[in-house]
Amino acid sequence: GAVVSQHPSRVICKSGTSVKIECRSLDFQATTMFWYRQFPKQSLMLMATSNEGSKATYEQGVEKDKFLINHASLTLSTLTVTSAHPEDSSFYICSAKARLVAHDTQYFGPGTRLTVL
Amino acid sequence: TQLLEQSPQFLSIQEGENLTVYCNSSSVFSSLQWYRQEPGEGPVLLVTVVTGGEVKKLKRLTFQFGDARKDSSLHITAAQTGDTGLYLCAGGRRALTFGSGTRLQVQP
Repeated sequence: GAVVSQHPSRVICKSGTSVKIECRSLDFQATTMFWYRQFPKQSLMLMATSNEGSKATYEQGVEKDKFLINHASLTLSTLTVTSAHPEDSSFYICSAKARLVAHDTQYFGPGTRLTVL
Repeated sequence: TQLLEQSPQFLSIQEGENLTVYCNSSSVFSSLQWYRQEPGEGPVLLVTVVTGGEVKKLKRLTFQFGDARKDSSLHITAAQTGDTGLYLCAGGRRALTFGSGTRLQVQP
């Protein structure tokens, strides 16, 4: 099946620093990648939709200047949390939609646990 | 906005019991997916249902898509401890909307 990787799996940083999270589709080309955030004991909430070569589309309430998304190729999208604060601590998960897969199936990465001290 | 409601939110059962998880919406979906997520990991796709009334089986798991494509159910027969996890339904044309999730705990 389709494999999506994320790096790093865990990151701890000081308040005010920036953190970059990578999302890669390993064996397929992803026309679209998505970034989700999941707080403890809650479901996944969509943050933004990323299309290769174009600007990301952010969901309402998500600050685009704080969560920078770059989708430079069909296999890589990055999420940078700028000037991170403790309230940004969360589980960040990316997903990728394969170019030739029908319907709305997405393949998810293993997630990145961000802890901001 | 298409919303998906799942019930129950939490379920604790003994090994060997059967259970059903429901996913409901007032909106029509072209397809619905079911995922299982374990702590600290990303969701893993279990199945995609597309046709109204469709029933799909995955070993002890049976998934059904409602005739009107507004709801879906997941039935687990003879639950095992390995079935423990967060079960999520999701749907959406482009970006997925996730249900609130059902946290299943299967006790030995």
